Amino acid sequence: NAGVTQTPKFQVLKTGQSMTLQCAQDMNHNSMYWYRQDPGMGLRLIYYSASEGTTDKGEVPNGYNVSRLNKREFSLRLESAAPSQTSVYFCASSTGTARGELFFGEGSRLTVL
Amino acid sequence: AQSVTQLDSHVSVSEGTPVLLRCNYSSSYSPSLFWYVQHPNKGLQLLLKYTSAATLVKGINGFEAEFKKSETSFHLTKPSAHMSDAAEYFCVRMDSSYKLIFGSGTRLLVRP
Repeated sequence: NAGVTQTPKFQVLKTGQSMTLQCAQDMNHNSMYWYRQDPGMGLRLIYYSASEGTTDKGEVPNGYNVSRLNKREFSLRLESAAPSQTSVYFCASSTGTARGELFFGEGSRLTVL
Repeated sequence: AQSVTQLDSHVSVSEGTPVLLRCNYSSSYSPSLFWYVQHPNKGLQLLLKYTSAATLVKGINGFEAEFKKSETSFHLTKPSAHMSDAAEYFCVRMDSSYKLIFGSGTRLLVRP
């Protein structure tokens, strides 16, 4: 049972570089999410996809774009990385947005120099 | 603003003693509330959830939480701490558009 799989687990970027974080789930979930975790701030929602074909902004969307490629996959792209985007990124999925029970990947640690 | 406040950033207990992690919420209605746990270098896992059925909610690994509307609290407890309980715990509420709002987290240290 893979659950939610994120790649890569670690990445170091220089300011201005771009990259894409990949996420895939094998639980047939409708909803998928991207969060960032910073010390002392809990998790903050970047973008989410309530269902295949839809995406919406969360609390901190600036500097990010997302693509819901199909029901399984939800990617997060940083077009021009900034040091403020140094963080741990978590992908999560759920059966639906109203349930509240999210299943999380193990995180991707991104450092922007 | 609707929010979640975790009153302690760190809690330290001895193995075998009770655990209390405190959480207060602000809301104009009775929200859906959750506790999630994050072990080191892992993703978050749901411990328990409150959705207005019973005010005392039992979760996994012996944890439970009590919803107290009069105190706007949802504290997490466990009668006897185990070394494996050492982790970070997040109190979470669902807002009116079904998005989850996370508290800042409480790191639980369990001393042998």
